[in-house]
Amino acid sequence: EVQLEQSGGGLVQPGGSLRLSCAVSGFSFRNFAMSWVRQAPGKGLEWVSVISGSAGLIYYADSVKGRFTVSRDNSKNILYLQMNSLRADDTAVYYCAKDSVKIVLLTAGFDSWGQGALVTVSS
Amino acid sequence: QSALTQPASVSGSPGQSITISCTGTSSDVGGYNYVSWYQQHTDKVPKLLMYDVDKRPSGVSSRFSGSKSGNTASLTISGLQAEDEADYYCSSYTTSSTLVFGGGTKLTVL
Repeated sequence: EVQLEQSGGGLVQPGGSLRLSCAVSGFSFRNFAMSWVRQAPGKGLEWVSVISGSAGLIYYADSVKGRFTVSRDNSKNILYLQMNSLRADDTAVYYCAKDSVKIVLLTAGFDSWGQGALVTVSS
Repeated sequence: QSALTQPASVSGSPGQSITISCTGTSSDVGGYNYVSWYQQHTDKVPKLLMYDVDKRPSGVSSRFSGSKSGNTASLTISGLQAEDEADYYCSSYTTSSTLVFGGGTKLTVL
């Protein structure tokens, strides 16, 4: 069974940093691209970032470029999102999500999602 | 990257069919057959309903179907059921190698 277990959310002051983790099991982690998707309270889904299975390809949404860094440890089956210079409009539930098809990036949908981690940026 | 355009809400009675549209540009929806659809019930995690415009993942009901014409993709739900009441999101791959979601559509089953 595919499982994505998230951790690391919480309350942080504007300008602060936070790291989210997503520990996965039940599939060959290194063969799948992984994304982060966020959802502000009462709002829609917003794609944040993607990292290929080998970590050789990484892309970000313009709204987080230069502030967020995605990474993965294929030996530990963990995906990370390092968030720096956080702003109030980064407040959201952050989901990790698995591409549904091996090797490709972002083209075939996300078939498994983490449970979500709430990040609140407020003083 | 601007969000794809979806109607804010749609409604239908049990047994009826409804269609949700998703309009983008030639840089996303119109440029690739890489449109996906998700269903999200209140306070739940999104569920993949459709990918590559019209492909259903295993386990998704055949009452859900997808199509695309030009810069607009559509999700049709036939034989509407009470359990279909949820928020629906489209997404598309873009020329920037990124992903863009639609703003979401709230489906109400009357």
